[in-house]
Amino acid sequence: AQKITQTQPGMFVQEKEAVTLDCTYDTSDPSYGLFWYKQPSSGEMIFLIYQGSYDQQNATEGRYSLNFQKARKSANLVISASQLGDSAMYFCAMRTNTGFQKLVFGTGTRLLVSP
Amino acid sequence: NAGVTQTPKFRVLKTGQSMTLLCAQDMNHEYMYWYRQDPGMGLRLIHYSVGEGTTAKGEVPDGYNVSRLKKQNFLLGLESAAPSQTSVYFCASRVDISNQPQHFGDGTRLSIL
Repeated sequence: AQKITQTQPGMFVQEKEAVTLDCTYDTSDPSYGLFWYKQPSSGEMIFLIYQGSYDQQNATEGRYSLNFQKARKSANLVISASQLGDSAMYFCAMRTNTGFQKLVFGTGTRLLVSP
Repeated sequence: NAGVTQTPKFRVLKTGQSMTLLCAQDMNHEYMYWYRQDPGMGLRLIHYSVGEGTTAKGEVPDGYNVSRLKKQNFLLGLESAAPSQTSVYFCASRVDISNQPQHFGDGTRLSIL
């Protein structure tokens, strides 16, 4: 069965510092994709970044990067130069090729950025 | 840029009432999904559809029905609402390309009294 684990219920970071949000996954499917979504207090789900299991390089999107360690089955999100607007819930999700490529979500990490 | 639109945004029901949540997408996506989000549990898949006229059960389908009569619309029905169905419901859609994300609507907050 596919599973995503986010062990940090909450994280604090000061503005302009970098922060790492942890995500580990479990799947027996050799082909899968990992996604990070941001959910601000307004409630919408915003796609941030994607990493494919066969991608050779770690994904980057602006201030977001994904630290993908395949052997350890981890896909941590790194946010550089944190901003007050980064305060939100962050969800890691996985999609495999089984079951019509459904997304399985972790329980999320609440990030609070302080001035 | 409408994307994925959910109707209504808020609703309060009494136990035993029925209602339908509407999801509409204008991106010509094949795949559509309904999730529920409860505190501390992330998003859980209720039902999904891989194309017009097709539906399938997700992780937590009991108490819900769905229909996809048109490609752009995915309806979620509650036949007899129960307090345990109080939740925030999200609809999502995506194109059939593996590295593309799901695009989410803004959610529907549903309370069952």
